[in-house]
Amino acid sequence: QSVLTQPPSVSAAPGQKVTISCSGSSSNIGKNYVCWYQQFPGTVPKLLIYENQKRPSGIPDRFSGSKSGTSATLDVTGLQTGDEADYFCATWDSSWSAWLFGGGTKLTVL
Amino acid sequence: QVRLQESGPGLVKPAETLSLTCSISGVSLGPYYWTWIRQPAGKGLEWIGRIYISGSTNYNPSLKSRVTMSLDMSRKQFSLRLSSVTAADTAVYYCVGLPRSAVVDVWGQGTAVTVSS
Repeated sequence: QSVLTQPPSVSAAPGQKVTISCSGSSSNIGKNYVCWYQQFPGTVPKLLIYENQKRPSGIPDRFSGSKSGTSATLDVTGLQTGDEADYFCATWDSSWSAWLFGGGTKLTVL
Repeated sequence: QVRLQESGPGLVKPAETLSLTCSISGVSLGPYYWTWIRQPAGKGLEWIGRIYISGSTNYNPSLKSRVTMSLDMSRKQFSLRLSSVTAADTAVYYCVGLPRSAVVDVWGQGTAVTVSS
């Protein structure tokens, strides 16, 4: 069981918006930057969001991140079938001195 | 062009030591924490640990007693040793550069390791 809690799955129709949550604690999300990864089956995870809300070059602005207190969220707007993937949040835990991943959320575009 | 390449045995016997090496090219060592992450089939990502050019290390508390990482700066390689492996250590192992002063991370393609007799 992960220290960072994500819903196992979320779904929405094409064109709609979905929000994926990541809940942590004061020693991890509450104190450090959060990043988000997208992973398709059999592929390497891809960085979507870093430092809570910044997008690497090439990541469309349909993907956005935010953080409040000990939780973070990833919003995906204008859903496309190609967005179907697993999404992971990650951050540093200052108490454990360890990098943490959420358990992952499977996004289904209905 | 940034490239990370994992190498090592794809099959390890139970109770033995898993050893992997990551060769780094196209990027400087300083801006990153050199990290091992693994992913069992159909499951999530698990951080194993990291090493910096200073030699400092941090390990996953749940694996700490079995993990050793090293960094050879002259060869631009870093390594993972995981002792006393069991079937639960079967996974795809990724070598990763997580940013320290860099902006984004860099990943290897991953190498599958199976623990079986």
